[in-house]
Amino acid sequence: LAKTTQPISMDSYEGQEVNITCSHNNIATNDYITWYQQFPSQGPRFIIQGYKTKVTNEVASLFIPADRKSSTLSLPRVSLSDTAVYYCLVGSRPGGGYNKLIFGAGTRLAVHP
Amino acid sequence: DSGVTQTPKHLITATGQRVTLRCSPRSGDLSVYWYQQSLDQGLQFLIQYYNGEERAKGNILERFSAQQFPDLHSELNLSSLELGDSALYFCASSPRDSQNIQYFGAGTRLSVL
Repeated sequence: LAKTTQPISMDSYEGQEVNITCSHNNIATNDYITWYQQFPSQGPRFIIQGYKTKVTNEVASLFIPADRKSSTLSLPRVSLSDTAVYYCLVGSRPGGGYNKLIFGAGTRLAVHP
Repeated sequence: DSGVTQTPKHLITATGQRVTLRCSPRSGDLSVYWYQQSLDQGLQFLIQYYNGEERAKGNILERFSAQQFPDLHSELNLSSLELGDSALYFCASSPRDSQNIQYFGAGTRLSVL
């Protein structure tokens, strides 16, 4: 499983765009990039998943360059409720024998008024 | 609401005791995963069941065991409890085997005194 590296913490202000970058230099051909969000004392929540280029949903965008060695989670116009820990995970799609999610330390995002 | 139900929400017990944590997956999901989250270890995968059968094991102690019943709910049994077992225990589910998009419950907070 590819190891990921992301900043320990970030600070932002309400209304700003936040970009969290994750490095995964050893990503394999079959690996997908998945981001989760976790609020204190709650279970992680799936945000977005992608393989290459750009993926956008109602919550966030995920940018993946051609070499796929990194990815950037973009949160548009954050609010105080976006204060959470964000985890970047790399692993293969269903059926690829990837049963467990390996969470790193994540990025602790603090949004200030 | 993820659709995954965990009970109880809180559990306080003494060292040496045994407890059972219960998880009901989302309707139709065949896979159930258990994770432990403590302050010093982060989120750790414990074990996965798929349609009643054990599929993957993580760093689960021998004092811990789990099972998935025919109605697909799962129970995590923790015995001979130690102070270090105090943690948040999360259950997650997914429709099929080996998926990296998992839906997490709200967790059970275990306090061993």
